[in-house]
Amino acid sequence: DQQVKQNSPSLSVQEGRISILNCDYTNSMFDYFLWYKKYPAEGPTFLISISSIKDKNEDGRFTVFLNKSAKHLSLHIVPSQPGDSAVYFCAAVPYNQGGKLIFGQGTELSVKP
Amino acid sequence: GAVVSQHPSRVICKSGTSVKIECRSLDFQATTMFWYRQFPKQSLMLMATSNEGSKATYEQGVEKDKFLINHASLTLSTLTVTSAHPEDSSFYICSARGKTEAFFGQGTRLTVV
Repeated sequence: DQQVKQNSPSLSVQEGRISILNCDYTNSMFDYFLWYKKYPAEGPTFLISISSIKDKNEDGRFTVFLNKSAKHLSLHIVPSQPGDSAVYFCAAVPYNQGGKLIFGQGTELSVKP
Repeated sequence: GAVVSQHPSRVICKSGTSVKIECRSLDFQATTMFWYRQFPKQSLMLMATSNEGSKATYEQGVEKDKFLINHASLTLSTLTVTSAHPEDSSFYICSARGKTEAFFGQGTRLTVV
């Protein structure tokens, strides 16, 4: 039972354009959501988070949008840079479960020069 | 920012032997740490929650006798893969929870031959 889903396994974007990574979830009992970036053979690196009571959070080139009615969140990267090429995971934190994360399957972003 | 250090980054072992992976929180105390496992092209799957001074909580389907977790101090959790088999070959990642996000170790690539 996949509670957090990233339905696009890969995404290719031209440098300078916007990258939009999508994530859907099925459980309403999530406290907040996070996006992580991961390079091969390395641990994930935290990018940005959003509380379930908000609908937008922005940090530099990264903006996360949360649509609770649609149980959907997205990460926007603008402008995209070749160094952004990596696998991006969205993760959700259930209420009252000690902070464990439930991850989506990941989306591999490729930013072409 | 908070740092989580995981060691070793790579290990190759013979089938039937045991391997210990260490996870340290370097600049904060972590009463709870998490161990994840990632197969190629798949999501990070939570294996267990490691609680300082008490028994770990294992996710469904994870053998607690095979994956021994010890969280003896507020800065160190260890995962021991006992009697390793080739199917245990995977990428193992630990994390420790900060205030609003989880911080991850660099990961350990285990190859059982």
